[in-house]
Amino acid sequence: DAKTTQPPSMDCAEGRAANLPCNHSTISGNEYVYWYRQIHSQGPQYIIHGLKNNETNEMASLIITEDRKSSTLILPHATLRDTAVYYCIVRTSSGTYKYIFGTGTRLKVLA
Amino acid sequence: EAGVTQSPTHLIKTRGQQATLRCSPISGHTSVYWYQQALGLGLQFLLWYDEGEERNRGNFPPRFSGRQFPNYSSELNVNALELEDSALYLCASSLAGGSLNQETQYFGPGTRLLVL
Repeated sequence: DAKTTQPPSMDCAEGRAANLPCNHSTISGNEYVYWYRQIHSQGPQYIIHGLKNNETNEMASLIITEDRKSSTLILPHATLRDTAVYYCIVRTSSGTYKYIFGTGTRLKVLA
Repeated sequence: EAGVTQSPTHLIKTRGQQATLRCSPISGHTSVYWYQQALGLGLQFLLWYDEGEERNRGNFPPRFSGRQFPNYSSELNVNALELEDSALYLCASSLAGGSLNQETQYFGPGTRLLVL
């Protein structure tokens, strides 16, 4: 199973873009990158996922490098409510369908 | 559309007792996953059920078990409770497996189990 590496914590000023990096150098060609966030011990909230191309939805953008060994989640205009732990997950390609969560990045949005 | 629901929200048990946690998936979802999140730790995969069958389990002892009902809801049972079983237990659901694009997991709010 591919492993992900994220910085343990980051700060971001309210209203600015938050860029959260993730390394997944052992990712296989058919494995997707998923991002979730968890606010204060609530259930993780799905944000976005992608395979090769960059993706954007109403919550965030996902930029995946061409070699797929790393990705960046972008929250374009961070608010105080975006303060959470953000998890980058590389989901196994087939058979088990389980998520392997790392320790995530604790993002603190500052007023 | 209702999300994943879990009950109870909190559960207090003593060592040696049994705990039963319940999960109702999003309507139309047939796969249910269980995860354990001990205080200060990450989420650990426990079990995956699909179409009533256990498809995979994580590195947990057999006293962690469960089942999935015909309506796709699920129960997680923890027998012979130990103090270290105290954790947030999260349930997630997804559409049926087979296509990666359909397998985004959506999580419920969790059941917080405290073992005294």
